[in-house]
Amino acid sequence: DAGVTQSPTHLIKTRGQQVTLRCSPKSGHDTVSWYQQALGQGPQFIFQYYEEEERQRGNFPDRFSGHQFPNYSSELNVNALLLGDSALYLCASSLAGYGFQPQHFGDGTRLSIL
Amino acid sequence: SQQGEEDPQALSIQEGENATMNCSYKTSINNLQWYRQNSGRGLVHLILIRSNEREKHSGRLRVTLDTSKKSSSLLITASRAADTASYFCAPRQNNNAGNMLTFGGGTRLMVKP
Repeated sequence: DAGVTQSPTHLIKTRGQQVTLRCSPKSGHDTVSWYQQALGQGPQFIFQYYEEEERQRGNFPDRFSGHQFPNYSSELNVNALLLGDSALYLCASSLAGYGFQPQHFGDGTRLSIL
Repeated sequence: SQQGEEDPQALSIQEGENATMNCSYKTSINNLQWYRQNSGRGLVHLILIRSNEREKHSGRLRVTLDTSKKSSSLLITASRAADTASYFCAPRQNNNAGNMLTFGGGTRLMVKP
């Protein structure tokens, strides 16, 4: 039973470029969340997708956008990259249900902006 | 949204000792989760405690919750070198209709062999 998989594992971009990160949720899960984790800090919630729509959003600018496909996989897009976007981007999946749903995380994509 | 604040920021102990880390939060919750993160990896869910529970055990882990003090603690007994990781708490507010998690800066635990 495959867990959450993310691609690519590492990525190097320059300022102003655009990037797309991908996530496949754990088998049976229908909800995908994205987090940004700067070095030495805790993960910060970006947004969550359910039924192909953005259900919740954290305090991130519109440069950060996403998509969820019918097979529940998801993409995170970041436009006009800034040096401060350098971070580990984590995808987490869960099964929809109000309340007590642990999230399963992938190992992330390490994004470096030069 | 609310996040937990973990304390201490860093903890170094010898193998076999117990490790205790604490989490404080500000508003009412319906549950609180603890996660572990090994260096360079994703987070792993450890345990969830509901607001009507006071203590929960899972293997060598013991979690307590004091809603009157808005705090939780995670105890790892008989620690091992493999327990070296960062630990995060994620309090979940009552009005959190989705499933977003909010994290503090975590406690970095080092267990020396």
